[in-house]
Amino acid sequence: GAVVSQHPSRVICKSGTSVKIECRSLDFQATTMFWYRQFPKQSLMLMATSNEGSKATYEQGVEKDKFLINHASLTLSTLTVTSAHPEDSSFYICSAGTSGRHGTQYFGPGTRLTVL
Amino acid sequence: GENVEQHPSTLSVQEGDSAVIKCTYSDSASNYFPWYKQELGKGPQLIIDIRSNVGEKKDQRIAVTLNKTAKHFSLHITETQPEDSAVYFCAASLGPVDSSYKLIFGSGTRLLVRP
Repeated sequence: GAVVSQHPSRVICKSGTSVKIECRSLDFQATTMFWYRQFPKQSLMLMATSNEGSKATYEQGVEKDKFLINHASLTLSTLTVTSAHPEDSSFYICSAGTSGRHGTQYFGPGTRLTVL
Repeated sequence: GENVEQHPSTLSVQEGDSAVIKCTYSDSASNYFPWYKQELGKGPQLIIDIRSNVGEKKDQRIAVTLNKTAKHFSLHITETQPEDSAVYFCAASLGPVDSSYKLIFGSGTRLLVRP
């Protein structure tokens, strides 16, 4: 149990385009989903927290107009990187958690974004 | 806010030996401490976690200890195997805020198990 999927696993796009990443909890309902960014050989940096049906809460320094997060259902959250630039290239990882599992977070496999 | 420090940054052990990774946290109100294993190009995988009402937890070759007074917790891996080679992250959480448990991660430890 506790499986989280992400799609796509890898995406290459041109500068200026927008990219959408999906995160799904496959066998449980996620009260909360988190989006992280990870640079090579570094730790996970939390970008935002989203609760189903509510607006996302962004961490300091994360542009909410650039990284649009939608948590439309208890099993799906999406991250859209708008007008992507090369500096947005990174490994994006989502996690899903539920208060019913005492707040444990389960991570997706990640999405490698490369902006040319 | 909460800060988590993790040591060592790299650890190399011989297959069959034990490995210990240590983390310290700053906020005494933190009450949940998970450990994640991340293999190259993959997402982190939860391997064990402990809550503040417990001092030790064990799952086969993996154990975690928590010292609330000193505000540190450790991951112990016994009888290491080459497949244990990965990056390990500790994390701490202050518990639910609006039903979410925000995790603060350590900087990671790259474990290499030599055959």
